[in-house]
Amino acid sequence: EDQVTQSPEALRLQEGESSSLNCSYTVSGLRGLFWYRQDPGKGPEFLFTLYSAGEEKEKERLKATLTKKESFLHITAPKPEDSATYLCALLRGGGNKLTFGTGTQLKVEL
Amino acid sequence: GAGVSQSPSNKVTEKGKDVELRCDPISGHTALYWYRQSLGQGLEFLIYFQGNSAPDKSGLPSDRFSAERTGGSVSTLTIQRTQQEDSAVYLCASGLGGETQYFGPGTRLLVL
Repeated sequence: EDQVTQSPEALRLQEGESSSLNCSYTVSGLRGLFWYRQDPGKGPEFLFTLYSAGEEKEKERLKATLTKKESFLHITAPKPEDSATYLCALLRGGGNKLTFGTGTQLKVEL
Repeated sequence: GAGVSQSPSNKVTEKGKDVELRCDPISGHTALYWYRQSLGQGLEFLIYFQGNSAPDKSGLPSDRFSAERTGGSVSTLTIQRTQQEDSAVYLCASGLGGETQYFGPGTRLLVL
């Protein structure tokens, strides 16, 4: 069975304090690993798709990386507007549905 | 361009009543998905439509849940005889099939 585990469940950072969020996964044949951001009361907003181990993608202060067992979302010099829940999801080869983790709730304080 | 839209944004109903939730996907997207997000839990897959193919209904939790997609565009998720455990946020997503899914804002359903 496909599984996605995210850690930590919650993370509090000071503005400018860089950190990483972890997404561990098990799947038989990964087609894609997805990162989304979700603000309270809104739907998930797409950030990145990673397809193979060693791949990296960047967007502003965020960088996502992928290994055969984990993905990391690195946040460099975060700002309060980066506060949100970050969701990781996988898509297996030949499958249709995303399997989601329960998310990391990030709060960045001044 | 316009994203995925869902209506209503909030719905309060009484136990035992039927509800219909609507999703308008991004224009040109052939794939449409419904997920449910319960408090403190991850998103749970419900159903998937792709073009004219038979839908993948493997995530529907009971036969009280059904969905249809008319004309390859708008979709309606229907929950019959609602129960309190159906209270959740129902999210619709669309895409080009097998790749990135783009989500709508969700419908918050509360069953009293």
